[in-house]
Amino acid sequence: LAKTTQPISMDSYEGQEVNITCSHNNIATNDYITWYQQFPSQGPRFIIQGYKTKVTNEVASLFIPADRKSSTLSLPRVSLSDTAVYYCLVGDSGAGSYQLTFGKGTKLSVIP
Amino acid sequence: GAVVSQHPSRVICKSGTSVKIECRSLDFQATTMFWYRQFPKKSLMLMATSNEGSKATYEQGVEKDKFLINHASLTLSTLTVTSAHPEDSSFYICSATRTSGSSADTQYFGPGTRLTVL
Repeated sequence: LAKTTQPISMDSYEGQEVNITCSHNNIATNDYITWYQQFPSQGPRFIIQGYKTKVTNEVASLFIPADRKSSTLSLPRVSLSDTAVYYCLVGDSGAGSYQLTFGKGTKLSVIP
Repeated sequence: GAVVSQHPSRVICKSGTSVKIECRSLDFQATTMFWYRQFPKKSLMLMATSNEGSKATYEQGVEKDKFLINHASLTLSTLTVTSAHPEDSSFYICSATRTSGSSADTQYFGPGTRLTVL
């Protein structure tokens, strides 16, 4: 069972770049790494997914080192609306389908 | 694309009644759907995994007779909380994937349903 470890909380000022690192020492060879964002009383929203090296989309970048035992979500120039909980997940094979096990997540607070 | 809806968004019911929550994939066919529950300030906990046309697989500690899951089509799964009690009050969230065979397949989440049992 792949587990993830993230900081419980982070604070950042508006306009700064935020990097949230996640540890997943037991990641399996065929596991992908996925990050989600969740606002209060809403379902998680997909941010980015990667397998190795670097992935970038319109909202974030994901850096994965060669050993894949960790990953870093990078949010450029955060705004107040980026205040949310961010979850790092790796897949778990179960019941013939891949499940996501949510850890505690990182509560990001963006300060004006 | 990849929109998942849930209905209702919130429901209040009396203790002992049953409540049905619907989860729909609006613009894709969902081979697999997942049901989660989330208590205040806590993380999401997986309740069960359902594949279209087959019985759901429940996580340890989740009563299958209390939380009935039906995945009758590739776009609809329902969760029925039977004989609800106040301790069942929670935020229920579904997610859907196009396939079931890879961790690369993104899970798309619904907006959640707030259940309050009086």
